[in-house]
Amino acid sequence: AQSVAQPEDQVNVAEGNPLTVKCTYSVSGNPYLFWYVQYPNRGLQFLLKYITGDNLVKGSYGFEAEFNKSQTSFHLKKPSALVSDSALYFCAVRDTTSGTYKYIFGTGTRLKVLA
Amino acid sequence: DADVTQTPRNRITKTGKRIMLECSQTKGHDRMYWYRQDPGLGLRLIYYSFDVKDINKGEISDGYSVSRQAQAKFSLSLESAIPNQTALYFCATSDPGTGTYEQYFGPGTRLTVT
Repeated sequence: AQSVAQPEDQVNVAEGNPLTVKCTYSVSGNPYLFWYVQYPNRGLQFLLKYITGDNLVKGSYGFEAEFNKSQTSFHLKKPSALVSDSALYFCAVRDTTSGTYKYIFGTGTRLKVLA
Repeated sequence: DADVTQTPRNRITKTGKRIMLECSQTKGHDRMYWYRQDPGLGLRLIYYSFDVKDINKGEISDGYSVSRQAQAKFSLSLESAIPNQTALYFCATSDPGTGTYEQYFGPGTRLTVT
């Protein structure tokens, strides 16, 4: 079965330091991977995606993610964290093999950037 | 978020009541989805629709029903609400036919069943 894991419920990082939010996946075939961010009282906003091509993908607000096929990971990164990056982050994978083309979400990681 | 709207934004209802949550989109996307979000569980798919005549159950469809009235409108109904349906509900759209694999979400409806 397709699945996504976000092993950390919460990540704390000091402002200005690099941040990493982890995501691992289990899929058949080539994965379509996504990161979303949710601010309080808002819907999820798309940050970036990996479909094919370069393993390092860049997205909104200075975020990037690295697709690692051998480690089945798609970690979200930012070189220098801002307090305004504090939010709930979701990793997701699109099921491309069952014919349903559904999206499977991780349980979310809360990022707290400390001033 | 303005391209995908949800009404109401907040709703408190009693056990046994029927309630409808509505979603409208102006993105012109064919595919629409309903999710519920619970703390620690992430987003779980309730129903999804690939077009007006194609509606499919997700992983947690029991106790819910949907209606796709038009390409732009997708409603979720709770026929007889129960307290464990208290959650944050999101509507989303996508359009893989145009290469838009990512989903676009509405602002959510916070539902409380007492």
